[in-house]
Amino acid sequence: ELKVEQNPLFLSMQEGKNYTIYCNYSTTSDRLYWYRQDPGKSLESLFVLLSNGAVKQEGRLMASLDTKARLSTLHITAAVHDLSATYFCAVGGSEKLVFGKGTKLTVNP
Amino acid sequence: NAGVMQNPRHLVRRRGQEARLRCSPMKGHSHVYWYRQLPEEGLKFMVYLQKENIIDESGMPKERFSAEFPKEGPSILRIQQVVRGDSAAYFCASSFTDSGETQYFGPGTRLLVL
Repeated sequence: ELKVEQNPLFLSMQEGKNYTIYCNYSTTSDRLYWYRQDPGKSLESLFVLLSNGAVKQEGRLMASLDTKARLSTLHITAAVHDLSATYFCAVGGSEKLVFGKGTKLTVNP
Repeated sequence: NAGVMQNPRHLVRRRGQEARLRCSPMKGHSHVYWYRQLPEEGLKFMVYLQKENIIDESGMPKERFSAEFPKEGPSILRIQQVVRGDSAAYFCASSFTDSGETQYFGPGTRLLVL
């Protein structure tokens, strides 16, 4: 059974700082996704990572995938308040996605 | 191009009543997925449907829950005889194919069982 673990589950950081969120998964999978969720809102797709060594960047967020280690990272550069949200990684190929529990990020002024 | 639409956005039911949640996928998408999110938790897969077919219902409770995606109209997730433990956010997602394409999520239905 595929399991997905994220850490940390809670992250409080100051504006301007850098940090990394980690996502480990237990079995080989086709794809890894990162989503953002604001309180009371739906999930917004951030990145889809398809192959070993894949790296994608959008603004202050950069995601990478190491399929051999079954590890993805979401790196935050020079955080700003607008990045405060919960970030989920999800793993799956076709059909269902298996989600981590999410990392609740709070960026303080 | 409208995104995934769900209604109602909020639903309050008393124990024992029925809840019907509706999902209209994005235009051109024929694959629909339902997920449940408990407070402070990640999303848990419930069921995957294509038009008129249930492909995978491995995450669906065996009793009281059912889902359909008819040839015409939205996908429906139906919960009979709701209990307090059914209180959660229910999200629908859709994709164009089942080849691992990104699933796009609707705004969710927040069900509260009193």
